[in-house]
Amino acid sequence: TQLLEQSPQFLSIQEGENLTVYCNSSSVFSSLQWYRQEPGEGPVLLVTVVTGGEVKKLKRLTFQFGDARKDSSLHITAAQPGDTGLYLCAGANQAGTALIFGKGTTLSVSS
Amino acid sequence: DTGVSQDPRHKITKRGQNVTFRCDPISEHNRLYWYRQTLGQGPEFLTYFQNEAQLEKSRLLSDRFSAERPKGSFSTLEIQRTEQGDSAMYLCASSPVVGGGTEAFFGQGTRLTVV
Repeated sequence: TQLLEQSPQFLSIQEGENLTVYCNSSSVFSSLQWYRQEPGEGPVLLVTVVTGGEVKKLKRLTFQFGDARKDSSLHITAAQPGDTGLYLCAGANQAGTALIFGKGTTLSVSS
Repeated sequence: DTGVSQDPRHKITKRGQNVTFRCDPISEHNRLYWYRQTLGQGPEFLTYFQNEAQLEKSRLLSDRFSAERPKGSFSTLEIQRTEQGDSAMYLCASSPVVGGGTEAFFGQGTRLTVV
């Protein structure tokens, strides 16, 4: 069974701080995706990483895919209150018919 | 707006009643998914359609749940004889068939409360 484990589960920081959240698995994924979800809304796709070792940047967010394609990280520089939300990582199952999601990291950034 | 649309946004129902949710995917997307999400958890996969064919169903999808996608366009998810444990956010997502990728674009969800 493919599982994605995210850590930490909760993170509460002050505006301006840096943070990293992690997504780990014992399985190899062809790609991993990161989503951000606000309360009462559906997840919104942030990025897809495909190649082992790949690094992608989205403004203050930096995403990395592990060399073995079993893990990924999301680093936020100088967090802002608008970054508050649930960050989810997801990968396709072996059949390519569904996305498997981690339980997410709930981030709270206070000003 | 050309995103995924779900209706209704909220539904309160009494235990034992049937409910039906609708999802209109992005028009050029072949793939459609239903997920269920409870508070503090990531979305859990329920079922997957490619065009009108339902190709995969999770073991989470009991016999009380049925999903359809007639003509490969919109989809409906019906829950019969609702139970309190069915209370959750039901999310629909669609995906284009591009290189076999599964990037999903989600609707805003339907929040179901069974009382």
